[in-house]
Amino acid sequence: GAGVSQSPSNKVTEKGKDVELRCDPISGHTALYWYRQSLGQGLEFLIYFQGNSAPDKSGLPSDRFSAERTGGSVSTLTIQRTQQEDSAVYLCASSARAVGAEKLFFGSGTQLSVL
Amino acid sequence: AQSVSQHNHHVILSEAASLELGCNYSYGGTVNLFWYVQYPGQHLQLLLKYFSGDPLVKGIKGFEAEFIKSKFSFNLRKPSVQWSDTAEYFCAVKPGGYNKLIFGAGTRLAVHP
Repeated sequence: GAGVSQSPSNKVTEKGKDVELRCDPISGHTALYWYRQSLGQGLEFLIYFQGNSAPDKSGLPSDRFSAERTGGSVSTLTIQRTQQEDSAVYLCASSARAVGAEKLFFGSGTQLSVL
Repeated sequence: AQSVSQHNHHVILSEAASLELGCNYSYGGTVNLFWYVQYPGQHLQLLLKYFSGDPLVKGIKGFEAEFIKSKFSFNLRKPSVQWSDTAEYFCAVKPGGYNKLIFGAGTRLAVHP
């Protein structure tokens, strides 16, 4: 597609349920990032994928969070046993190369609400 | 740990006023610096970036930012704002040797006609 696509755009779930968030990066972009934006806070880095290299998972807040990227393209962020503090906008971004040489292209995000 | 501080959370200006948004980071090594902007209802997009060379960087829509290494700062400026500049502005830093961009908390700018 022309841009980074995320789905769903909104997700309401009950505490304790698992959720999956999807990101389709721009075709050909090798780098993919997940960020979380909570109300009144900046963008919190979660995880970074670059090509076939091992992902940088240093930002995942707990072992309830995981992400995978299949075939170097689509990525899925999974949150298990959701908690109310997981409520936030989850943003995906992709770039043609590692950050520092190319800019990030962001999706419109998934608004997650945990009741 | 590396961090980015944006001093103003909300700024309200009248059209034609000058703008300066503060950004400071905590990292002693080489950095790449960015300002991103999110207009209402739109995606985050790159406004300008600094990698090396001239510390005064010009971006889109008349924005510029100055990297002052001694102050660990990368303030965003515009001499005369327009109503269409109403948006949220994020400063971001990529420390050398790291993959991730570290973002500040953002500054919401409202420009009144």
